[in-house]
Amino acid sequence: EAQVTQNPRYLITVTGKKLTVTCSQNMNHEYMSWYRQDPGLGLRQIYYSMNVEVTDKGDVPEGYKVSRKEKRNFPLILESPSPNQTSLYFCASSWRVYNEQFFGPGTRLTVL
Amino acid sequence: AQSVAQPEDQVNVAEGNPLTVKCTYSVSGNPYLFWYVQYPNRGLQFLLKYITGDNLVKGSYGFEAEFNKSQTSFHLKKPSALVSDSALYFCAVRPTGANNLFFGTGTRLTVIP
Repeated sequence: EAQVTQNPRYLITVTGKKLTVTCSQNMNHEYMSWYRQDPGLGLRQIYYSMNVEVTDKGDVPEGYKVSRKEKRNFPLILESPSPNQTSLYFCASSWRVYNEQFFGPGTRLTVL
Repeated sequence: AQSVAQPEDQVNVAEGNPLTVKCTYSVSGNPYLFWYVQYPNRGLQFLLKYITGDNLVKGSYGFEAEFNKSQTSFHLKKPSALVSDSALYFCAVRPTGANNLFFGTGTRLTVIP
């Protein structure tokens, strides 16, 4: 089944404790992206990747890192999480940026 | 600044009536435009997109959208709403030549039986 998976689905952590949210797709897509969803703000793009080893900042990259060492994986790293990073995070993938995106189920992160 | 606006946070419509969810954009050039739907506790699902060609685009689940270049709008429409259409709808735009996407703030559609 074609899908985008994210782990964990739910995470409660404390300020400053480094964490990684994994994202994997099995569709051989070149474009991958991370978004955060906040009430009243919609979805905002954090980082995106055009292909392996090619990443770039989206709208709200501060406090986040990403890497794209393999085509299928695109982890999101929070080196020192803060409460304002409490949000619902989505990973997505597509063939190209102009193709339809397939979204993962989301990761709900709470930073205390 | 490039942006996407969904002027209505909430749209209520009676089952069987036509529905419209509005989207306007402010980007340069000829952007690519998308609609996505989010059901409760789910990720977003693609509905339709406009790249070029006919201004009326047909998509999944009977939805369609009308591109209006002069009004920089891309409104989502359906002739007859179903209760199961109740969800959160997002408009998105990819500016010309850009590799990133901008989403609107979302419109919650409630179809009343």
